[in-house]
Amino acid sequence: NAGVMQNPRHLVRRRGQEARLRCSPMKGHSHVYWYRQLPEEGLKFMVYLQKENIIDESGMPKERFSAEFPKEGPSILRIQQVVRGDSAAYFCASSPEARPTLGYTFGSGTRLTVV
Amino acid sequence: AQSVAQPEDQVNVAEGNPLTVKCTYSVSGNPYLFWYVQYPNRGLQFLLKYITGDNLVKGSYGFEAEFNKSQTSFHLKKPSALVSDSALYFCAVRDNNNDMRFGAGTRLTVKP
Repeated sequence: NAGVMQNPRHLVRRRGQEARLRCSPMKGHSHVYWYRQLPEEGLKFMVYLQKENIIDESGMPKERFSAEFPKEGPSILRIQQVVRGDSAAYFCASSPEARPTLGYTFGSGTRLTVV
Repeated sequence: AQSVAQPEDQVNVAEGNPLTVKCTYSVSGNPYLFWYVQYPNRGLQFLLKYITGDNLVKGSYGFEAEFNKSQTSFHLKKPSALVSDSALYFCAVRDNNNDMRFGAGTRLTVKP
């Protein structure tokens, strides 16, 4: 079991470009969560998705950010027109059920640098 | 809404000494509490959880945590710290109706 796979591991974008972050959950997991870790800060919840549905997006910025988890393929976190403040580590987690008692399985993260 | 606080940004201990990383929480209903560790350039790794049962929970790498309902705390402990324990530690909480929320993290440094 390959675990939660995130790619790319490192992503560099110029201001104004688009960033696409991918997350393939563990096999058998249909629930995906995205978190953002700003430098020197803790994890901040962004969005929770189940296959083809956004369940909770209360942590997503109102503009430029979107997420999807299609029926086939990985979950995508998309950031349009990136700004320097978007530079952070973005972590994806997955679980086999909505509120697992074990907790979540995390990927290694994508480190976005906006130059 | 639930929240979790880690009052210390950094904890420094000498190798072989006991360590404590503090966590307090606020949640409606029964809490589900977790500790995760993050090594440099890695994702979070699960250490231990409290769902119900004994207040003292034992987890990976010799870590344990004590659930204290009256103080709404879930401090992470280890009797004898190792240099390799140096990492970023996150406390997390959720209740039955919400997703997990994480503390800001505490950087543990164990010096030889």
